[in-house]
Amino acid sequence: DTGVSQDPRHKITKRGQNVTFRCDPISEHNRLYWYRQTLGQGPEFLTYFQNEAQLEKSRLLSDRFSAERPKGSFSTLEIQRTEQGDSAMYLCASSFGRVKGVVEQYFGPGTRLTVT
Amino acid sequence: ELKVEQNPLFLSMQEGKNYTIYCNYSTTSDRLYWYRQDPGKSLESLFVLLSNGAVKQEGRLMASLDTKARLSTLHITAAVHDLSATYFCAVDRGSQGNLIFGKGTKLSVKP
Repeated sequence: DTGVSQDPRHKITKRGQNVTFRCDPISEHNRLYWYRQTLGQGPEFLTYFQNEAQLEKSRLLSDRFSAERPKGSFSTLEIQRTEQGDSAMYLCASSFGRVKGVVEQYFGPGTRLTVT
Repeated sequence: ELKVEQNPLFLSMQEGKNYTIYCNYSTTSDRLYWYRQDPGKSLESLFVLLSNGAVKQEGRLMASLDTKARLSTLHITAAVHDLSATYFCAVDRGSQGNLIFGKGTKLSVKP
């Protein structure tokens, strides 16, 4: 399977614990995006990488959140001192960049986080 | 700030009927995307609309874009149960390709 993969698919953690999620993009894609989706809402942009450089961060990405893409391939999203409000689906997407005006993002299956 | 609004948010249809989902956005953009999401699953790309007047069709779904009105529509023809899902429109914010999504339209097609 050459699509975007995410690990783990589900994570249950207690409030105050740290969690880390991994995203493996489609191999030739140089752009990688993280989104968060809460129940009944559309995905909300968190951050974006081009190769290993983190080029944009949303205001939603508080200082408890950190994302890395050390070698321009896979990415990790860490949440420190989790809060119940962090419970959501975390989606990763990758793209090849703008082709004929289009940045077509391919989404992974997501990691569902539940903070108890 | 770019906002994307969809309506309706919930839509219950009978099989065989037609309906339209509307997507309004607040600032100029000529790139609009439609995605489908099944419960518990990720997003599947349906259409990319790039210019004013663009129309794309796939099976029973047809999407159009009016950039002057800042409006896109997703028209469903002769709905079938397999179309039951949540449909999102999203607007490209700019050069980075970060997408702003609407809240989604949850479609339920009943026999």
